[in-house]
Amino acid sequence: GDSVTQMEGPVTLSEEAFLTINCTYTATGYPSLFWYVQYPGEGLQLLLKATKADDKGSNKGFEATYRKETTSFHLEKGSVQVSDSAVYFCALRPPTGANSKLTFGKGITLSVRP
Amino acid sequence: DAMVIQNPRYQVTQFGKPVTLSCSQTLNHNVMYWYQQKSSQAPKLLFHYYDKDFNNEADTPDNFQSRRPNTSFCFLDIRSPGLGDAAMYLCATSLRTTGHEQFFGPGTRLTVL
Repeated sequence: GDSVTQMEGPVTLSEEAFLTINCTYTATGYPSLFWYVQYPGEGLQLLLKATKADDKGSNKGFEATYRKETTSFHLEKGSVQVSDSAVYFCALRPPTGANSKLTFGKGITLSVRP
Repeated sequence: DAMVIQNPRYQVTQFGKPVTLSCSQTLNHNVMYWYQQKSSQAPKLLFHYYDKDFNNEADTPDNFQSRRPNTSFCFLDIRSPGLGDAAMYLCATSLRTTGHEQFFGPGTRLTVL
């Protein structure tokens, strides 16, 4: 079945540091890929998405590129802020035409120090 | 603003005492989902409604039920909460089940005493 693997956490960075959070997936066909962010005590918010190979999703300074050859969707940001402290989930959804059940990775906690 | 609303944000119940969590949406989406998220874990889908059609996940315990009286509202009923049911419960909506983004509410954190 479909699965999403995220790097082990937590991750602690200083403000303005470069961020990479790894995500790889296993799925048939060309799933849509997502990064969701969950701030403390809140629900999930869609951060960015990509629906086909080589697409780059971007939002709020975060970027991720859909790499079919490496089955990866790594999240990057050039300069993190304290306000980026949250839990980040990578997720996939089967291609259009199949059920739209989201499969999530385990999530990784990011803490950014001033 | 169109949105997904969950009430209450925090709910405390006693072991074995039935509890109902509420979700409403102003997006006029066809699909509503309920997820359970335990501490430091990924959200786990319990079930979803496509309009009035109920779709239960195979591993969702019978203790969890849901009702959707109209397009806007969906309820999660836990008939006899156990200590293991303490979690964040997330409601989400999407326009259809395929090819459309899911929008999440802020969640209800359930404590079982």
